[in-house]
Amino acid sequence: EDKVVQSPLSLVVHEGDTVTLNCSYEVTNFRSLLWYKQEKKAPTFLFMLTSSGIEKKSGRLSSILDKKELFSILNITATQTGDSAVYLCAVDNYGQNFVFGPGTRLSVLP
Amino acid sequence: NAGVTQTPKFRVLKTGQSMTLLCAQDMNHEYMYWYRQDPGMGLRLIHYSVGEGTTAKGEVPDGYNVSRLKKQNFLLGLESAAPSQTSVYFCASRGSNYGYTFGSGTRLTVV
Repeated sequence: EDKVVQSPLSLVVHEGDTVTLNCSYEVTNFRSLLWYKQEKKAPTFLFMLTSSGIEKKSGRLSSILDKKELFSILNITATQTGDSAVYLCAVDNYGQNFVFGPGTRLSVLP
Repeated sequence: NAGVTQTPKFRVLKTGQSMTLLCAQDMNHEYMYWYRQDPGMGLRLIHYSVGEGTTAKGEVPDGYNVSRLKKQNFLLGLESAAPSQTSVYFCASRGSNYGYTFGSGTRLTVV
């Protein structure tokens, strides 16, 4: 059964810290890995990764995929309180739906 | 551009009552999904549809039914609500760019 695991499940940091969120996966077929940010409501899209070693960057957020070791990391530098959210990792396995991980709840304290 | 719209946003039901959650998308997406999200459980797929007139079971389909009579709408029904169905429900759609677009969620409490 295809599976996505995220770690840590919960993380508390202070503003200005740098954090690394982890996502590992076991799927029979891999098309892409996606990161979403979920604040109070709907998850919003951050990144889609399809190739190993190519960093995607958006402001203070960046992500990279390792298809050999089957994992991805999401980095957030100089964290702000507005980064507090649940970060979801999902894998597109060419199936009808994505496989989601449980999410990492990040709390950034002032 | 509304994207994915869910109604209602909040609802409280008594055990045994029925209700329908409506999801509407205006992006002409073929794929639509209903998920529930519970603390510590992540997003769990209830039912999904790959096109108008089609539906399929997901990971946790029991106690729910769905219909996709029109391409833009995907309805989730609870025939006899149970406290275990207290959750936040998300609808999503997916087009050719692979990514999901989520609705804003429905918080359902069954007492």
